[in-house]
Amino acid sequence: SYVLTQPPSVSVAPGQTAKITCEGNNIGRKNVHWYQQKPGRAPVLVVYDVSDRPSGIPERFSGSNSGNTATLTIARVEAGDEAAYYCHVWDGSSYHVLFGGGTKLTVL
Amino acid sequence: QEQLVQSGAEAKKPGASVKVSCKASGYTFTSYDITWVRQATGQGLEWMGWMNPNTGDTGYAQKFQGRVTMTRHTAINTAYMELSSLTSEDTAVYYCAICTLVAAATGPMDVWGQGATVTVSS
Repeated sequence: SYVLTQPPSVSVAPGQTAKITCEGNNIGRKNVHWYQQKPGRAPVLVVYDVSDRPSGIPERFSGSNSGNTATLTIARVEAGDEAAYYCHVWDGSSYHVLFGGGTKLTVL
Repeated sequence: QEQLVQSGAEAKKPGASVKVSCKASGYTFTSYDITWVRQATGQGLEWMGWMNPNTGDTGYAQKFQGRVTMTRHTAINTAYMELSSLTSEDTAVYYCAICTLVAAATGPMDVWGQGATVTVSS
């Protein structure tokens, strides 16, 4: 079955750039979506279809996808970006929605 | 503005069933498939399945086949997720969500309910 792998944690200083990866076999062929989740809150969609942003999401959030790795990039990281981030794809082989295991972003 | 409001917290015994509701407002209820996702404490997101509120068609994750039932009551714009034969492993927050961007259950979920906590304990 298809598996999405994310690093458990990423740390970055304020003002720097954070990159959160999501690895999967030929994930570059899939549409990837990303969610931000803060403790006790529902997930919030921050990037969809690899690199599009929903209304209200800052331009600091961007995405890319190639080969076996999709990446969520957060530029000029702020304290408020500290959260868990999850990638999401649709696996047409199994007809299942799949989530990565999540990455905890810590702002130092 | 689309909004999903879920039912409150539930406490259940092992072996029981739970039914969580998700009331939609701010849009035509039958326009978007409703997806259910759960999250155990300290764990990641887990997809459970989807339902088309217009037709009642469903698609369930293999893990929950035979144990989950997703239904709707269109007159009151409400979707339901019922999970049976509960064990402690089912203790989690259960979310409903919709994708308004591409109107497909397989798409990115941009509107979420607030979550409903289900605790299974003897």
